[in-house]
Formats: sequence, C-alpha cells, structure tokens
Amino acid sequence: GQNIDQPTEMTATEGAIVQINCTYQTSGFNGLFWYQQHAGEAPTFLSYNVLDGLEEKGRFSSFLSRSKGYSYLLLKELQMKDSASYLCAVMDSNYQLIWGAGTKLIIKP
Amino acid sequence: IAGITQAPTSQILAAGRRMTLRCTQDMRHNAMYWYRQDLGLGLRLIHYSNTAGTTGKGEVPDGYSVSRANTDDFPLTLASAVPSQTSVYFCASSEGLAGSGANVLTFGAGSRLTVL
Repeated sequence: GQNIDQPTEMTATEGAIVQINCTYQTSGFNGLFWYQQHAGEAPTFLSYNVLDGLEEKGRFSSFLSRSKGYSYLLLKELQMKDSASYLCAVMDSNYQLIWGAGTKLIIKP
Repeated sequence: IAGITQAPTSQILAAGRRMTLRCTQDMRHNAMYWYRQDLGLGLRLIHYSNTAGTTGKGEVPDGYSVSRANTDDFPLTLASAVPSQTSVYFCASSEGLAGSGANVLTFGAGSRLTVL
C-alpha cells in the first residue's frame, strides 16, 4: 500500500529552527508538496519538489531525496504565526495525491 | 478576493437526511475537487472534475455524488447521510487538470458536517 509518514506533533521555540520530516512509500513519484494549515482554516500551498535537493523560499525550505523516499520542511526564525499543521503530499505514478496526516507544530515563546 | 467559497460553514444533520455542500470558485480553474479531512488521517479525495460536464471518483466516493454544470460550481451531495460521514469537507481547485504534475491546489475554508 501507499504510505506517507510524518510526526504527529512537534514543539519549537520562537526564533529557533525546526525540521519536519516526511517519508513516503508510493507507487511511483511525480512530485512532493508541502501545505500549511492553521487550525480551522484551509490548507495553503508552501512548496513543491520534484528533483532532489533543496528549494528555498524565504524562511521556509524544502528538501527532497527520491532515492530515500524522504523530504523535510525547514522553518527558520520561527514566529508564533507559524503554529499550524504542515501537510506532506506525494503525487504517485498515476498523478494521484497521497496525503500524510500532517504534523502539528506548536511554537512557544 | 479571488478564491473558493464553501457553504455552509458547519451543519448538524440527522442520519438519513439529504445534504448538499456548495462550492464556488471565481478563478476560472479547470479542475475542482472534494476532500474529507478526519482526525489522524490525511486528506482523502472523494470526487473530482476536470471540466464542466465531467466528473471522476476519488479514493472514497461511496455515499457521495457531485455535478459540474459549469466551470465555477461543484456541489457535493450526500443522498442519505450516515454518522461515518461526519467530517470536515474541503473543496479545492487547480488551474491544471487532475492527473497532471505540479498541480497546486487552492482550498476553500471547509464545511464541518456532523451526522447524528
């Protein structure tokens, strides 16, 4: 079966750096997405990786290793507004999106 | 503000009742989707549509139906609601077609449905 694994919850301190990992086992691979979802709100797009390596976008970076079935989302200079759930999703060989359950990130002052 | 509008925001429904969740987008996106989100699970696709007049089944289509009469509207109907359909429902759209790469989704704010 197809599977996306993310930690359920993480806690970090304001101003610090946090890395949220995502491992996947899917039938084929056509890209990996990260979305942010604040409590009670809609998911919003953060990043897309299809090739190995690091994609940087301001305070957020996303890394992909296709050979390891692994990605991480790196958040720098954490702010209280970064408290949210972070969803990892993989597009399989049929271009179907497989979603992880999300990682709830709690930021403490 | 361009985006997706969902209604109702929340609803409590008796089992066996019929319910339609409304979704409208104003971005002229080609594809539209309905997902359900349950605690501890990833988003699961219910139905999708790539263009007006066509629809397709997702991962969990049973008990749900959709229609796409025009580009903007994509209602989801529960013909006879059951408690297992208690969930948060998200409508989404994308410029690219479902089944294509690099397809960024724009989501509505969600509809929280409770079936008793």
